[in-house]
Amino acid sequence: DGGITQSPKYLFRKEGQNVTLSCEQNLNHDAMYWYRQDPGQGLRLIYYSQIVNDFQKGDIAEGYSVSREKKESFPLTVTSAQKNPTAFYLCASSPQRGGSNQPQHFGDGTRLSIL
Amino acid sequence: QKEVEQDPGPLSVPEGAIVSLNCTYSNSAFQYFMWYRQYSRKGPELLMYTYSSGNKEDGRFTAQVDKSSKYISLFIRDSQPSDSATYLCAGYSSASKIIFGSGTRLSIRP
Repeated sequence: DGGITQSPKYLFRKEGQNVTLSCEQNLNHDAMYWYRQDPGQGLRLIYYSQIVNDFQKGDIAEGYSVSREKKESFPLTVTSAQKNPTAFYLCASSPQRGGSNQPQHFGDGTRLSIL
Repeated sequence: QKEVEQDPGPLSVPEGAIVSLNCTYSNSAFQYFMWYRQYSRKGPELLMYTYSSGNKEDGRFTAQVDKSSKYISLFIRDSQPSDSATYLCAGYSSASKIIFGSGTRLSIRP
């Protein structure tokens, strides 16, 4: 079955600690995205990548970092610089056709909390 | 002003009723519109994808886009308790990233 796998489902971070959220897709999609979802605020874009070894900042990139070394993988690191990391993190992917956006497909998220 | 606005709800209707979920958007360049359904503690699932104005039907679901008033709707016929979820609308143009609404929480009472 094709899809997007996020792990872990729940993650706890201590003060001053960096944590990495995993996102893997087997849909052969070119583009991958990370969103943060907070109650009442909808989805906010953190980072996105349209091709391997390239990525761009979204609207709220401060305190986060990403890498895209393989087409199927787009891990997100929440650094200690992110002062309010408690949220539901969603990874998404989409095909790219003619350089334009296509509908995104989502994983089931990682819930990050502060210890 | 947010680019895509939704009433957060919650909206509670009896089983079998017709549900109407609505969004407004401000970017007149938007050409593509989507509705996602999100169950608690899960990722959003793509329900409907439409281009430009008009209606699109898929089973019990109908998506409607009115570009003249910048208004998009999702209708659910014969609503079921399993339709209870948060519904997110989204829009974009070929030159923009996808903008999501904040979601409407829907509850179907048995």
